[in-house]
Amino acid sequence: GAVVSQHPSWVICKSGTSVKIECRSLDFQATTMFWYRQFPKQSLMLMATSNEGSKATYEQGVEKDKFLINHASLTLSTLTVTSAHPEDSSFYICSARYYSNQPQHFGDGTRLSIL
Amino acid sequence: KNQVEQSPQSLIILEGKNCTLQCNYTVSPFSNLRWYKQDTGRGPVSLTIMTFSENTKSNGRYTATLDADTKQSSLHITASQLSDSASYICVVSAASGTYKYIFGTGTRLKVLA
Repeated sequence: GAVVSQHPSWVICKSGTSVKIECRSLDFQATTMFWYRQFPKQSLMLMATSNEGSKATYEQGVEKDKFLINHASLTLSTLTVTSAHPEDSSFYICSARYYSNQPQHFGDGTRLSIL
Repeated sequence: KNQVEQSPQSLIILEGKNCTLQCNYTVSPFSNLRWYKQDTGRGPVSLTIMTFSENTKSNGRYTATLDADTKQSSLHITASQLSDSASYICVVSAASGTYKYIFGTGTRLKVLA
């Protein structure tokens, strides 16, 4: 089956640090990748949609200068949380999809803790 | 407005018992409906996918139903196991635009020994 790898799985860093999270589709080419944020006991909230070679489309209320997304290849997308603060602490999950009506395959998430 | 609502919000059952989770949606136009299982600290894993023409689909001890007329779906878990403790998320995909996923609020299931 389709495998999506997310790295790192857990990161703890000081306030003001920038953190990069990688999302890789291991056995298929992902024309579209999605980035989600999940707070405790809540469902996934879409942050942005990223198409390979294009600028990401951000959901309303998501700061594009805060959450930088790069999707430079068909197998890799990165999310960089710039100048992270404690309120950015959350569980970030990526998903990848081959084509528009195909299913999304999820990574295992990254737990981000900002001290 | 496209919405997916799930009930109950949380559920506690004894090992070996059956349970049914509910999902109501108002997504239009409808493409398909998926049930995902999400273990704590992990990403969602797909259990079933159903299109509008499918009424029932099974995956082991999991059986999903879909009533496209009333826009309701259910996930029935038979003979629950401790490992079934997780969040179960109903996700509806709209048949337009980017086929975005519309996530339900989830049901947190706890199976006790």
